[in-house]
Amino acid sequence: AQKITQTQPGMFVQEKEAVTLDCTYDTSDQSYGLFWYKQPSSGEMIFLIYQGSYDEQNATEGRYSLNFQKARKSANLVISASQLGDSAMYFCAMITPYGGATNKLIFGTGTLLAVQP
Amino acid sequence: DVKVTQSSRYLVKRTGEKVFLECVQDMDHENMFWYRQDPGLGLRLIYFSYDVKMKEKGDIPEGYSVSREKKERFSLILESASTNQTSMYLCATEAGEAGANVLTFGAGSRLTVL
Repeated sequence: AQKITQTQPGMFVQEKEAVTLDCTYDTSDQSYGLFWYKQPSSGEMIFLIYQGSYDEQNATEGRYSLNFQKARKSANLVISASQLGDSAMYFCAMITPYGGATNKLIFGTGTLLAVQP
Repeated sequence: DVKVTQSSRYLVKRTGEKVFLECVQDMDHENMFWYRQDPGLGLRLIYFSYDVKMKEKGDIPEGYSVSREKKERFSLILESASTNQTSMYLCATEAGEAGANVLTFGAGSRLTVL
């Protein structure tokens, strides 16, 4: 069965420092996609970044990068130069098989990040 | 800009009431989803729909039903609300084309059942 595990319920980080949010996944499929979403206190879910299982390079989007280690089945989110506005809940998610027209996403339990001034 | 609108941000209902949560999208997306979000449990899929009048059960469909009479509207129905259905409900859409499968979410509906 597919599963996403986020073992950090909450984290603190100092403003301007980098932070890594952990995510491990379990799937027997060879083709899958991994996503990170951000949920601020206002409640909306914001897509941040995705990585396909066949992508050889780690995905990057501005200050966000995804540290994809396929053998370890991990897909950690790295936020560089944290800002106060990064304080939010972060969810890791997986879709498998990846790239089809009728797939559904499964989510982890989330990590609450608090950026301190 | 892509838009998913959930009709109610906050609802308070009594046990046994019938509850309708509405979701409307203006992006012509094929796929629509209802999730519920609870602390410590993340988002869990209730129902989804890949086409008009079509629905599929997600991971926790018990106590819920859905309706999709038009492409742009996907309704979640609680036939007889119970206190354990107090939660945040999130609607999401997805284009349904082969590709990144990125979901677009509504702002959420926080339901309290007393």
